[in-house]
Amino acid sequence: EADIYQTPRYLVIGTGKKITLECSQTMGHDKMYWYQQDPGMELHLIHYSYGVNSTEKGDLSSESTVSRIRTEHFPLTLESARPSHTSQYLCASSEWGRGVEDYTFGSGTRLTVV
Amino acid sequence: DQQVKQNSPSLSVQEGRISILNCDYTNSMFDYFLWYKKYPAEGPTFLISISSIKDKNEDGRFTVFLNKSAKHLSLHIVPSQPGDSAVYFCAASPDRGSTLGRLYFGRGTQLTVWP
Repeated sequence: EADIYQTPRYLVIGTGKKITLECSQTMGHDKMYWYQQDPGMELHLIHYSYGVNSTEKGDLSSESTVSRIRTEHFPLTLESARPSHTSQYLCASSEWGRGVEDYTFGSGTRLTVV
Repeated sequence: DQQVKQNSPSLSVQEGRISILNCDYTNSMFDYFLWYKKYPAEGPTFLISISSIKDKNEDGRFTVFLNKSAKHLSLHIVPSQPGDSAVYFCAASPDRGSTLGRLYFGRGTQLTVWP
């Protein structure tokens, strides 16, 4: 049973459309992240949040934006999708415990912009 | 610039044999290291981790070795099973229990275990 949910799993959308990728977790984690991964490449951090009303940009520049109005919800929005946004987007949350940062990933959203 | 490197994009091993996946890192501030396993169309799942104060951590068939002087870690799977076939990501973090628990990932190694 997944504790972190991403929707949609797959999305094909036309250039210029506005899209929101949803991410929700039921574990009460304060820290949440969005990673972007292209095939055969490493996961790149594009956004993270320490908690409600806290959002920061990650290492990889992204035209997307995020919000954190509730602890459990961390949606990612693209105002105008472009083919260069085609990628897999992975949401994760974490908490520190038992000597390790305990990460949980969602199943990802595979976005294709045509 | 990549701070975590997995130089072998793929590895093929016969069932029952040992699988050795390698990972190198460049940032001497990295404090702990993790291995994740990823099946197609799923998110990565945690496999095993090691703190920089250790040089070995074992969990069942999985053992991770850390060589800090060489900035190198490896994951050993013994014996390998067909169900182990997946992409394995090495990850590292400079933040042990700090406010941000961000991870730096390698590009992954596709392990295929054949019967």
